[in-house]
Amino acid sequence: DAGVTQSPTHLIKTRGQQVTLRCSPKSGHDTVSWYQQALGQGPQFIFQYYEEEERQRGNFPDRFSGHQFPNYSSELNVNALLLGDSALYLCASSLELAGASYEQYFGPGTRLTVT
Amino acid sequence: DQQVKQNSPSLSVQEGRISILNCDYTNSMFDYFLWYKKYPAEGPTFLISISSIKDKNEDGRFTVFLNKSAKHLSLHIVPSQPGDSAVYFCAASPLRGNEKLTFGTGTRLTIIP
Repeated sequence: DAGVTQSPTHLIKTRGQQVTLRCSPKSGHDTVSWYQQALGQGPQFIFQYYEEEERQRGNFPDRFSGHQFPNYSSELNVNALLLGDSALYLCASSLELAGASYEQYFGPGTRLTVT
Repeated sequence: DQQVKQNSPSLSVQEGRISILNCDYTNSMFDYFLWYKKYPAEGPTFLISISSIKDKNEDGRFTVFLNKSAKHLSLHIVPSQPGDSAVYFCAASPLRGNEKLTFGTGTRLTIIP
């Protein structure tokens, strides 16, 4: 049973560039959430996708956008990269079934470095 | 505004003894609490959770205690094993599961053989 997978593992970008990170949820899961973890901090919620729509959003600027595909996989896009965007980006998946929600399972993350 | 706080950045415990990790929260809307464990180069792994209607939940060596009036929870690991060495994150949400998680800054637990 494949868990949550993310690609790429590491990425180096230059300030001002754009980046796309990808996530495949755990088999059977339909909800994907993205988190940013800066060094020495806990993960911070960016947004959540369910049924291909953004359902919740944390306190992140519009430079951060996402997408969910019919197969439940998801992308996180960040435009106009800043040095402060350097962080570990975590994807988490979960299942929503008949109004009941279940625990989020995390992928290994993508380490983004902005120079 | 740090709504979930883990005031101890690190903790060292002898193998076989009890490890106690603490977490405080400020948001009264939080109704569901979780502990995650994180090894280097891996994503956080779900460990144990507790709903606000309970004050204790056990799973093997792991027990989580919730004191709603004090807005405090703790994770007890007994007996501690070398494989328990990791960073532990406390997280909270308004509802179980799919609501966004608010994490603390983590506590690095080191088990000394």
